[in-house]
Amino acid sequence: GQQLNQSPQSMFIQEGEDVSMNCTSSSIFNTWLWYKQDPGEGPVLLIALYKAGELTSNGRLTAQFGITRKDSFLNISASIPSDVGIYFCAGQHIAGNTPLVFGKGTRLSVIA
Amino acid sequence: NAGVTQTPKFQVLKTGQSMTLQCAQDMNHNSMYWYRQDPGMGLRLIYYSASEGTTDKGEVPNGYNVSRLNKREFSLRLESAAPSQTSVYFCASSTLAGAKNIQYFGAGTRLSVL
Repeated sequence: GQQLNQSPQSMFIQEGEDVSMNCTSSSIFNTWLWYKQDPGEGPVLLIALYKAGELTSNGRLTAQFGITRKDSFLNISASIPSDVGIYFCAGQHIAGNTPLVFGKGTRLSVIA
Repeated sequence: NAGVTQTPKFQVLKTGQSMTLQCAQDMNHNSMYWYRQDPGMGLRLIYYSASEGTTDKGEVPNGYNVSRLNKREFSLRLESAAPSQTSVYFCASSTLAGAKNIQYFGAGTRLSVL
């Protein structure tokens, strides 16, 4: 089935460092979403993007909807231990109740 | 503010046993989804229900059945469990607000098939 290419698969960083991860697709999306999954929990929405070029922040998190509509990135600034988890990108091809397509996730570990 | 509630949280089955995973949402959402999550595989869609009374196959439907009991509830059934169905199962729901289709997830059901 349709997949998003999410990278990197995993990251080990020092507390205080900035983090960047991205997703790419061979097809166009109308919506990009970024979720975080804490250990033992379900994914929780971090940021939603609806327009090409859109740049949106949520605290220390910033995400952008790529201008080609085929990619998106998520940056985390000044990482802290509670940033540990799995980050998923998700895209939707058309507006409507069509299922999201998920990336395979980026596992983030923060070393204090 | 329960959101999406899944039961049970944990389950161990023997090969060949059957069981139903329950999911309920209290957000008046139209659409509901079942995913499975395996290490390194991300979230894979099993079945979804775009609206009450409809269900559609996702990426990995084999070995599963679903029932959209009403607008609130969407169950996932394993008729004859297999070890390959050992996984974490997530239910999600969403609704349209303009073009904004955001899915909200439950906490998951951790299933082991021996």
